[in-house]
Formats: sequence, C-alpha cells, structure tokens
Amino acid sequence: QVTLKESGPALVKPTQTLTLTCAFSGFSLSTSRMRVSWVRQPPGKALEWLARIDWDDEKFYRTSLKTRLTISKDTSKNQVVLTMTNMDPVDTATYYCAREIVGSSKFDSWGQGTLVTVSS
Amino acid sequence: QSVLTQPPSVSGAPGQRVTISCTGSGSNIGAGYDVHWYQQIPGKAPKLLIYGNNNRPSGVPDRFSGSKSGTSASLAISGLQAEDESDYFCQAQDTSLSAVFGGGTKLTVL
Repeated sequence: QVTLKESGPALVKPTQTLTLTCAFSGFSLSTSRMRVSWVRQPPGKALEWLARIDWDDEKFYRTSLKTRLTISKDTSKNQVVLTMTNMDPVDTATYYCAREIVGSSKFDSWGQGTLVTVSS
Repeated sequence: QSVLTQPPSVSGAPGQRVTISCTGSGSNIGAGYDVHWYQQIPGKAPKLLIYGNNNRPSGVPDRFSGSKSGTSASLAISGLQAEDESDYFCQAQDTSLSAVFGGGTKLTVL
C-alpha cells in the first residue's frame, strides 16, 4: 500500500523560505520509473503542479517558479524535500506530494496535503 | 487561468447522467497525451478517478467513464448519486513536460 504524508510549517512570513517534507512508504525512489511530484492548491482554486524528482535524481520544475524551487530526495529515509524561497501571500495554499510512475503521467497516490499560510 | 478549461459547475438530479468537459490545446491533449480525472471532496486530497482517458482504477464504480477526442476530453457520470457531489479535475501532460490541470468543476447533486 502506497502512502505519502506532507509535513512542514503551517505559517511562514513573507520573504522566508518554505521547506516541506514528503514521507512515503509502499515504494522506493531508488526503484526504476518511480517519481514524486509536488502539487499545490490555493484555497478554493485549481491544482498547480510545481516540481518532480525521479528515481534517477532527474528533476524538473514549473517554469514560472523555477528560480524559487529546489527538490531533493533522501532515498534511505523515503523522503522528498521541496524548498521554496521568497514566499509571498499568493503562495498560500495546500501543498500535496503525489506518486507517479514515469510514463503513466498520472498521479496515482496523494498525500493528505499540508496547508501553508504566508502572512506577516 | 488554468491550461485546461473546465466548466466551473454542473448539476444533475439523482439517477441522471452528467458530463464534464475538459478542453486543452495542441500542446497537451491534442498532442496525444493521456487525460486523467481526479475527484476531490472539499478539504481532502484528490483521488484518481479515471486514468489513460477511459480506465478506472480498482474500486471506482463503472458509473464513471471517460473519453477523449482531439483537444478535448470528457468525464461522464451516470446514475448520479448524492455521494458524487464533489469537485472534479482533469489533468494531462504538456509538451513542456509539465503536468497541467483543469480549473476544476463542482458537481452539485440536486
């Protein structure tokens, strides 16, 4: 059974750096074709894909946020970490991590999400 | 402004059939990429509902079906039930290699 769970601060101040962790089980990011993505959803709005990391450590970012995002993995801990710099109130959203099998393009398992509010 | 366009809301009475459209472009759906659909109960995480245009994961009732043609896709829900009241999102890949989503459709069961 695949499970994912996001963790991180519920509140960050403008200009601060956000660090989120996705802890997962039921699969390994050292296994071929495994991928973990981050997706966010502002309150009442649509889903927005942010970044992904593959089993072979290939990374890919949303073009409009590329300069602010960094994704990394710790295979031994079954964790993926996303950092987003220079946080702004418009970044207030629920942040999800999700598993994907490369080549399928579908997010077949999602974490419960963690709400991050950006406010001074 | 989402890359994929969905109607903001649809509604139907119990037992009826409703469809939700998802319109993209030649750089996503029209480029041949599969369309996936997610159901999201407010306050909960999205759940994969339809994948690869018209396939249902284990456990999803066959009342849910999907289709794709050209630059558009559709989700159909037949035999509408009160528990189907939820938000629905379509998703595809883009030639930029990003995942793109629709703006979401709120289904109300009258």
